[in-house]
Amino acid sequence: AQSVTQLGSHVSVSEGALVLLRCNYSSSVPPYLFWYVQYPNQGLQLLLKYTTGATLVKGINGFEAEFKKSETSFHLTKPSAHMSDAAEYFCAVRSGSGSARQLTFGSGTQLTVLP
Amino acid sequence: KAGVTQTPRYLIKTRGQQVTLSCSPISGHRSVSWYQQTPGQGLQFLFEYFSETQRNKGNFPGRFSGRQFSNSRSEMNVSTLELGDSALYLCASSPGTDYGYTFGSGTRLTVV
Repeated sequence: AQSVTQLGSHVSVSEGALVLLRCNYSSSVPPYLFWYVQYPNQGLQLLLKYTTGATLVKGINGFEAEFKKSETSFHLTKPSAHMSDAAEYFCAVRSGSGSARQLTFGSGTQLTVLP
Repeated sequence: KAGVTQTPRYLIKTRGQQVTLSCSPISGHRSVSWYQQTPGQGLQFLFEYFSETQRNKGNFPGRFSGRQFSNSRSEMNVSTLELGDSALYLCASSPGTDYGYTFGSGTRLTVV
């Protein structure tokens, strides 16, 4: 079974500072990895995904994530935080094949951007 | 291209009642999944449908059920509602196997 651990339920950064949200996963098969963002009273919006190929994945709104198999990590970064980045972020893993086509989510990280 | 549409956005029900939630996936998407989001348990998988067949089911009691129609629209039903069923129910659609999932805005269910 796969699982996802997001370190830090709350992260605060200053506007213009680096954003780093941590995600570690466990999976018995090559993982598909996702980052989603959720704004208040909204659904989940896909930021980026890793399936196969290049391990550095670029997403929307200036976010990117690097898949590191040796560290079983998929941390999300953004060089310069903007006030509009304040939201909750979820890392998710999905098994690559078979009937278990479900997303397993981490518990989320609430990002606060300070002026 | 229209996104994933969930109706209604908000629902208030009384304990013991039943409720049906609807999800219209993106046109051409054949996979629809449902998730429950609560502050205590986070995001939990309910079930997935593909071409009208339930392909996978999460660890929820039998009061939670779903179905998918030939046009890929999906409904989920919760019978004998309990206070703990209060949650945001999210639907996600996907073209098929190795793709990402697009989520709807959710249905906020409150059980009183």
